[in-house]
Amino acid sequence: ETGVTQSPTHLIKTRGQQVTLRCSSQSGHNTVSWYQQALGQGPQFIFQYYREEENGRGNFPPRFSGLQFPNYSSELNVNALELDDSALYLCASSGWNSNTEAFFGQGTRLTVV
Amino acid sequence: LAKTTQPISMDSYEGQEVNITCSHNNIATNDYITWYQQFPSQGPRFIIQGYKTKVTNEVASLFIPADRKSSTLSLPRVSLSDTAVYYCLGGPRGYALNFGKGTSLLVTP
Repeated sequence: ETGVTQSPTHLIKTRGQQVTLRCSSQSGHNTVSWYQQALGQGPQFIFQYYREEENGRGNFPPRFSGLQFPNYSSELNVNALELDDSALYLCASSGWNSNTEAFFGQGTRLTVV
Repeated sequence: LAKTTQPISMDSYEGQEVNITCSHNNIATNDYITWYQQFPSQGPRFIIQGYKTKVTNEVASLFIPADRKSSTLSLPRVSLSDTAVYYCLGGPRGYALNFGKGTSLLVTP
């Protein structure tokens, strides 16, 4: 158990719909990062939030957006879903620029049909 | 973020020592080398992190030579439960993790 929880665990959506994924970070961690992991690939960095501000973004289009709340929990929103968005979405929490590792949640398996 | 290269797959028998080597020729001065383990349908789990020389914890050792252009993760006496994908990452602490495809380790009896 890492203390990072994600919801829901599984989700099926139709192409064109919108989806919101949620993440509760580990106690004491103020930084949350989101990753997309397609089948057979390593996780790809989407973006990172620190103290409610986006603090870095990977090569993902603007229809991928996020929020971080005062309690450091976070949401990932994806608009206009495409079939290629089907993946495991992972949330990781860490202390800012800390010497501790990132702790990952179990992920949300999103299937777009 | 450092670009890393590691073998796609490795096989081992139970009880053997497994060494997975990763190359990272363009590693920057402030980059650390970090290894993660991932089981199917789970998030990656931190194994070990180092900057240079040798680091050891209860599950693994990490060897980084002086030039820091490569590193070796050593897993002593692997068991079936060590079957997983292992990722080598290079980058500054606290920033985005740059995962490649990792090394798929299969441990058999």
